[in-house]
Amino acid sequence: SQQGEEDPQALSIQEGENATMNCSYKTSINNLQWYRQNSGRGLVHLILIRSNEREKHSGRLRVTLDTSKKSSSLLITASRAADTASYFCATDSGYALNFGKGTSLLVTP
Amino acid sequence: GAVVSQHPSWVICKSGTSVKIECRSLDFQATTMFWYRQFPKQSLMLMATSNEGSKATYEQGVEKDKFLINHASLTLSTLTVTSAHPEDSSFYICSAHRVRETQYFGPGTRLLVL
Repeated sequence: SQQGEEDPQALSIQEGENATMNCSYKTSINNLQWYRQNSGRGLVHLILIRSNEREKHSGRLRVTLDTSKKSSSLLITASRAADTASYFCATDSGYALNFGKGTSLLVTP
Repeated sequence: GAVVSQHPSWVICKSGTSVKIECRSLDFQATTMFWYRQFPKQSLMLMATSNEGSKATYEQGVEKDKFLINHASLTLSTLTVTSAHPEDSSFYICSAHRVRETQYFGPGTRLLVL
């Protein structure tokens, strides 16, 4: 069953603004990953954060993980129109990845 | 990073026909591959786990006789949708697990059954 739950479901912002998406999960994990998916396309792996890490950066992306609250956040800074996509968190518990329902991000010029 | 390919990238077929989708790990061996399905505007749902040399493990609600999985080698898993119907139209994505690393996803196969 799906484990990750993202919020918000949809987010609309203007270019240059920051976008924050949250993910909650239910059981213990080895790591948590964030993916991007453009409409009708495959998944693009963005970042992986391990269960013993609290924060990770990659370019304009910042991911936090709070295992006590079983939650993670993805921050995209200085957003661009090209960031428009669906974003999914996925938890790895040593088996297949469990994907959340995703956040649909729209960045308008 | 590791590369996983899928073939075909899209397929349109008539209702009642069978469709085979291939998933290959191009530069590493994968004892385990996963098959996911994604309906429009929804998330990825795990269908089954494909293990090289043994039977696949199906998730609850996935018909094993309809979705045949064969993991014939350490670099190839195939998913055959038998007697496809319009409700099987979906985006099918495979992933390959690299030992001591994470999963690597294929680009997906879009299936449209008329």
